[in-house]
Amino acid sequence: ETVLTQSPATLSLSPGERATLSCRASQYVSSNYLTWYQQKPGQAPRLLIYASSSRATGVPDRFSGSGSGRDFTLTINRLEPEDFAVYYCQQYGRTFGQGTKVQIK
Amino acid sequence: EVQLVESGGGLRQPGGSLRLSCAASGFTLSGYEMNWVRQSPGKGLEWLSYISGSGKTIYYANSVEGRFAISRDNTDNSLYLQMNSLRAEDTALYYCARGLYGSDAFDLWGQGTMVTVSS
Repeated sequence: ETVLTQSPATLSLSPGERATLSCRASQYVSSNYLTWYQQKPGQAPRLLIYASSSRATGVPDRFSGSGSGRDFTLTINRLEPEDFAVYYCQQYGRTFGQGTKVQIK
Repeated sequence: EVQLVESGGGLRQPGGSLRLSCAASGFTLSGYEMNWVRQSPGKGLEWLSYISGSGKTIYYANSVEGRFAISRDNTDNSLYLQMNSLRAEDTALYYCARGLYGSDAFDLWGQGTMVTVSS
């Protein structure tokens, strides 16, 4: 079973800064099947990025995904107040990473 | 409005059973693959089960294989999760999630229904 390890566990940044979140897989993952979600407290997860780099409908272009093989990255340019949340990666519609919390510094 | 609404959660003793429902509205459920995902209090997301649009293909996570059963009624636009032999570690918020067409991502989530397993 493929394990997804997200780092860092917590990222403390200020609004306007760039966030770089990592998702590393224990085995090869096709870039077509790596997904990113955002979850805010008390809310259901929200689809951000699918197929490694495709933004879901309505997702601002400050969110971008990249990567291949075992290493994938979610980048959030110019953090907005509403971006402070927990982010999860997922592979093949199955295993999730443990999440990265982006918090206000 | 396009939405998913889960129901059926509650308190059960270990060894008990529960049936969760997920009602879809604003779209035709039969056109979509569906999943159940749970989140233990303060923890991360755990995928549990998948069912194809026709209901003919089903997958489970190892943690629930043999205890949980996913099903759907496309005529009723509903998804179900039958949960048997419940354990304390099944305590979680249970979400149903729609598969994005042509992808394995989940593009629509319900708000979840809470299941507590405790004696």
